[in-house]
Amino acid sequence: GAVVSQHPSRVICKSGTSVKIECRSLDFQATTMFWYRQFPKKSLMLMATSNEGSKATYEQGVEKDKFLINHASLTLSTLTVTSAHPEDSSFYICSARGLETQYFGPGTRLLVL
Amino acid sequence: SQQGEEDPQALSIQEGENATMNCSYKTSINNLQWYRQNSGRGLVHLILIRSNEREKHSGRLRVTLDTSKKSSSLLITASRAADTASYFCATDSSGYSTLTFGKGTMLLVSP
Repeated sequence: GAVVSQHPSRVICKSGTSVKIECRSLDFQATTMFWYRQFPKKSLMLMATSNEGSKATYEQGVEKDKFLINHASLTLSTLTVTSAHPEDSSFYICSARGLETQYFGPGTRLLVL
Repeated sequence: SQQGEEDPQALSIQEGENATMNCSYKTSINNLQWYRQNSGRGLVHLILIRSNEREKHSGRLRVTLDTSKKSSSLLITASRAADTASYFCATDSSGYSTLTFGKGTMLLVSP
């Protein structure tokens, strides 16, 4: 299947700082990418759908000014957690839309102190 | 929002035994997919079954779909310790690969 990478794999930051997570599709062009959040031992919660060249579509309850998404190219989407707080600590996973399925990145573990 | 509900939430078996996980969903779907997630990692696509299909096989995996009951099952035969992971069902109601995930089943296979 297609390969999706995420960077960084884990990040620790201080409260109030911003953190950027990159999601890259390595061997195909992804016009649509998805960002999920996952709490320990829980399922994936879709945060937003990222469309190349246009604004992201956010799920209900997700603050778009808090979680900035940019999809400037067909192989890169970024999620920026602005003014991070401890409650933003979580596992963030991106995926790229394929023909009938999604190809997932390995995830980014964010810890906000 | 969560669509799928897997049961059991956790399953512990011995190597060589079969593992069965079930998934129920609420709305009509185009397809249903099963994913696997090792602890702290991303998801790996296992198998996709379309709404007009009733059963599908892939290696040691067997998936069934009953659209009248809005349910699916994943059977892993002759399980191995390496099968230890969380398994999620995900439904695509849009036809555009937008997925809604269930809560998952944590499978532990002991040697």
